[in-house]
Amino acid sequence: DADVTQTPRNRITKTGKRIMLECSQTKGHDRMYWYRQDPGLGLQLIYYSFDVKDINKGEISDGYSVSRQAQAKFSLSLESAIPNQTALYFCATSDQGTANTGELFFGEGSRLTVL
Amino acid sequence: AQSVAQPEDQVNVAEGNPLTVKCTYSVSGNPYLFWYVQYPNRGLQFLLKYITGDNLVKGSYGFEAEFNKSQTSFHLKKPSALVSDSALYFCAVRGQIGGNTPLVFGKGTRLSVIA
Repeated sequence: DADVTQTPRNRITKTGKRIMLECSQTKGHDRMYWYRQDPGLGLQLIYYSFDVKDINKGEISDGYSVSRQAQAKFSLSLESAIPNQTALYFCATSDQGTANTGELFFGEGSRLTVL
Repeated sequence: AQSVAQPEDQVNVAEGNPLTVKCTYSVSGNPYLFWYVQYPNRGLQFLLKYITGDNLVKGSYGFEAEFNKSQTSFHLKKPSALVSDSALYFCAVRGQIGGNTPLVFGKGTRLSVIA
């Protein structure tokens, strides 16, 4: 089983719909991240969380929200999806040891298409 | 502010030839530097990192990278390319000061190894 699991892996939705992408991890890490990948733009940080009570905005947080339900779970929501949110979304984790040097562990990605 | 530049969107190399994927960075103070690889329909996988010490860092799958402080570069290299090395490669950086700053990724370079 994967250490960092994302659901759903693929989702097609319509403009205006609410969408939630879920991430769970069995690595015991305290830090979790959501990134968005677009062709030619690389990875952009949406939100990150260093523990259950700590949520931080990344460089492209507008239009997104997150919830850290437990140490092992970090969900990303699009309250009203729009077509330019079509992208590949990645969850990642790290702990204080690996985070001190920045090493991240990634899920397999969630491909979202907004029509 | 931290930033990473990968000047080449695409690198083509013949199998058996040496390969180089370029990366330059900008941070305050000393950097932590990383290379990640992404195979089709997969998440990012850690390849190698520079923290301190020897400027030549060896990583997974025969890859290595050379840290050059004066040129603020961290180019990825492999002496003999394999077709299976074809993938998307990301360079990432964070400063050693600034505590909990997340990694910043480059836009990625697609490596194509031709048999």
